[in-house]
Amino acid sequence: QVQLVQSGAEVRKPGASVKVSCKASGYSFSGYYIHWVRQAPGQGLEWMGLINPNSGGTNYAQMSQGRVTLTRDTSTSTVYMDLSRLRFDDTAVYYCARGIQASGGWWFDYWGQGTLVTVSS
Amino acid sequence: SYELTQPPSVSVSLGQTASITCSGDNLGDKYVYWYQQRPGQSPVLVIYQDTLRPSGIPERFSGSNSGNTATLTISGTQAMDEADYYCQAWDRSTGVFGTGTKVTVL
Repeated sequence: QVQLVQSGAEVRKPGASVKVSCKASGYSFSGYYIHWVRQAPGQGLEWMGLINPNSGGTNYAQMSQGRVTLTRDTSTSTVYMDLSRLRFDDTAVYYCARGIQASGGWWFDYWGQGTLVTVSS
Repeated sequence: SYELTQPPSVSVSLGQTASITCSGDNLGDKYVYWYQQRPGQSPVLVIYQDTLRPSGIPERFSGSNSGNTATLTISGTQAMDEADYYCQAWDRSTGVFGTGTKVTVL
């Protein structure tokens, strides 16, 4: 069965970086884009960006530009989300999700369990 | 940037119909997706491409999209449908989520 398993919770200080992993299984890794979505405590969902696991090509939301880097390791079917220069308002649950491409966009049919990143001094 | 607006909350009596709206400029020209999120859980897709239900989603969930408004309708609402619901669309290759609606089943 399709699974996206994310790495565990992280605590970082402001200005530091964090790297969250998302390991895919149960399907052809290179066949589906992986997206990242975050959710601050008590807030809504925010799309961050996507990566094409086949080519490594990426597309980032404007809010992510310059601080978010998405990479992948095809040998382990794992996607990584690197967030740098952390701020207090980056405290959130970060989700990876598998995207199904349709006309004009994607929908997300499988989601990871989420990774809580806490930025605290 | 493109924005999708939802009512913060909707209350519905058990067994009745709940309607959740999602508003955006010319939203009818885009596909809309709906996600259900129960407390402490990851989101789950309930409607894709405006009106389609993924396998395993009950028939009581339906969707529509026209003009500037998309609507998620839950017919015969069950207690298990109490959750947050988010609409989502794409604008110039950027994913946009709605502000979210908390559905309370009375």
